[in-house]
Amino acid sequence: QKEVEQNSGPLSVPEGAIASLNCTYSDRGSQSFFWYRQYSGKSPELIMFIYSNGDKEDGRFTAQLNKASQYVSLLIRDSQPSDSATYLCAVLPTGNQFYFGTGTSLTVIP
Amino acid sequence: GAGVSQSPSNKVTEKGKDVELRCDPISGHTALYWYRQSLGQGLEFLIYFQGNSAPDKSGLPSDRFSAERTGGSVSTLTIQRTQQEDSAVYLCASSLGLLTQETQYFGPGTRLLVL
Repeated sequence: QKEVEQNSGPLSVPEGAIASLNCTYSDRGSQSFFWYRQYSGKSPELIMFIYSNGDKEDGRFTAQLNKASQYVSLLIRDSQPSDSATYLCAVLPTGNQFYFGTGTSLTVIP
Repeated sequence: GAGVSQSPSNKVTEKGKDVELRCDPISGHTALYWYRQSLGQGLEFLIYFQGNSAPDKSGLPSDRFSAERTGGSVSTLTIQRTQQEDSAVYLCASSLGLLTQETQYFGPGTRLLVL
């Protein structure tokens, strides 16, 4: 079982809609959770991080964490074509090694 | 510097040659990470440094891979006797520290192609 799993997609949503990206992890002791955005041919860039159960909002982005169910999600409201990218979920379990999912490809259709 | 820098940005080499990749982290960041990303794949963790020390080298794919960090700053990843399967983008990231809720900042990567 992989440490971090994501649906590879592709996920397509119309412009203005809500995009929902999901991630599950295996290490119940994981402490920190991150969402990165990666444009084609570019390096990952941090979107959001979350440590506590519940929701965390930052502009159009909301991260949701449920440690009991071992999942973390990212909601993108009012999706824009510029949001089209691959979104990587990363988890910091009990050690020092970050585990990344393989990413979900998102396309926002104008 | 303003961000993590890596060099070279692109490297084409012949099978069997050695290559050295360089990473210059954000000033003041004590933790440094190396990842590999193959085409269409996620990030594969290779190794991390806390200061000049690499406590866990188990992520390195084989004994052809080695890494070092000197002065708590610049790190080099060396691949000896390169193979075609080593072709990938090698990403370096740094963060303020480990075992904290620190985020990583990535460099632009080195695109390695082994012919």
